[in-house]
Amino acid sequence: DTAVSQTPKYLVTQMGNDKSIKCEQNLGHDTMYWYKQDSKKFLKIMFSYNNKELIINETVPNRFSPKSPDKAHLNLHINSLELGDSAVYFCASSHWTSGRNGELFFGEGSRLTVL
Amino acid sequence: GDSVTQMEGPVTLSEEAFLTINCTYTATGYPSLFWYVQYPGEGLQLLLKATKADDKGSNKGFEATYRKETTSFHLEKGSVQVSDSAVYFCALKTNTGNQFYFGTGTSLTVIP
Repeated sequence: DTAVSQTPKYLVTQMGNDKSIKCEQNLGHDTMYWYKQDSKKFLKIMFSYNNKELIINETVPNRFSPKSPDKAHLNLHINSLELGDSAVYFCASSHWTSGRNGELFFGEGSRLTVL
Repeated sequence: GDSVTQMEGPVTLSEEAFLTINCTYTATGYPSLFWYVQYPGEGLQLLLKATKADDKGSNKGFEATYRKETTSFHLEKGSVQVSDSAVYFCALKTNTGNQFYFGTGTSLTVIP
């Protein structure tokens, strides 16, 4: 059983298109995150939801819109894709009430290539 | 603000060599500290963690000690294997707000 699963794993698309990445976790966690990893492996937090409520919203173009229909799902929709959006996007989850002891669990990543 | 600084890579070692990857942090309060590992083509997975000063986290032969006096959490392994080739991330979690901060990652290649 995959704890944090993302789809699709690979996505190749043209500039200007709109695409979505879906994430689901079966760990019973109440907090989910989206991270972007660039070609140098640098990880940047984008968004975080706790119990479907947006709690972290870093400086990200408003072409990126997260949606959390329930605690187990967090999707990422990207409008008008640009070349610079090419990256690996990781979904992660944790348990808020674990406080400082709670670790992050990551999905396998979704590699987005914009041509 | 809170942040993590880790040793720049890439690091290349021969099998059975000793590994140290340095990590220092800046944080208010008492964060928890983590090392994550990312194998090629995979997501990050927890390698070890420590939640208070002087705690030592250990797993798969790796260990790191939470040093409050030097604000450090260096990763060590006595004898690396080819299968340890991966990118290693140091991270901290604040004791408020559930925010995680990651270092820039250190790529390790172990050659036979």
